[in-house]
Amino acid sequence: EAQVTQNPRYLITVTGKKLTVTCSQNMNHEYMSWYRQDPGLGLRQIYYSMNVEVTDKGDVPEGYKVSRKEKRNFPLILESPSPNQTSLYFCASRPPGETQYFGPGTRLLVL
Amino acid sequence: AQSVSQHNHHVILSEAASLELGCNYSYGGTVNLFWYVQYPGQHLQLLLKYFSGDPLVKGIKGFEAEFIKSKFSFNLRKPSVQWSDTAEYFCGLGTYKYIFGTGTRLKVLA
Repeated sequence: EAQVTQNPRYLITVTGKKLTVTCSQNMNHEYMSWYRQDPGLGLRQIYYSMNVEVTDKGDVPEGYKVSRKEKRNFPLILESPSPNQTSLYFCASRPPGETQYFGPGTRLLVL
Repeated sequence: AQSVSQHNHHVILSEAASLELGCNYSYGGTVNLFWYVQYPGQHLQLLLKYFSGDPLVKGIKGFEAEFIKSKFSFNLRKPSVQWSDTAEYFCGLGTYKYIFGTGTRLKVLA
């Protein structure tokens, strides 16, 4: 089944403890992206990647890192999480010239 | 700078009522527009998209949207809503860098 998967789906952590949210797609898409969703703010793009080893900032990249070493994986790294990074995170991928497929989301709480 | 505005934050309708959700954008070049829907507890699903061609776009579940370039608008419509349309709706634009609106929560009363 074609899909975008994210792990973990739910995560509670404490301020300053590094964490990684994984994203994987099995559709051989070159483009992948990360978003955060917050009430009243909608979805905001954090980072995107047009291909392996090619990444760029979205609208809200501060406090986040990404890497794209393989086409299928695009992990989101929070080196030192803070409470304002408590949010619902979505990964997405898309084929050329098409719209994005979204993953199921990761709900993060930073205490 | 690119931006997307959704004017209605919360909409409550009775079943069989008609729906129109507003979406205006600011963008200088050729624009790819889309509407996504998020049902409670689920991820985003594509309703419809406009890349080029016929400005009246038909999507899934009876939804349609009209691209009006002169008004920078891409409003979503449905002639008769159902209880199952209760969800949050997001308008957006982009090709690599994406901008979404803040969303419209629709509640349909049975």
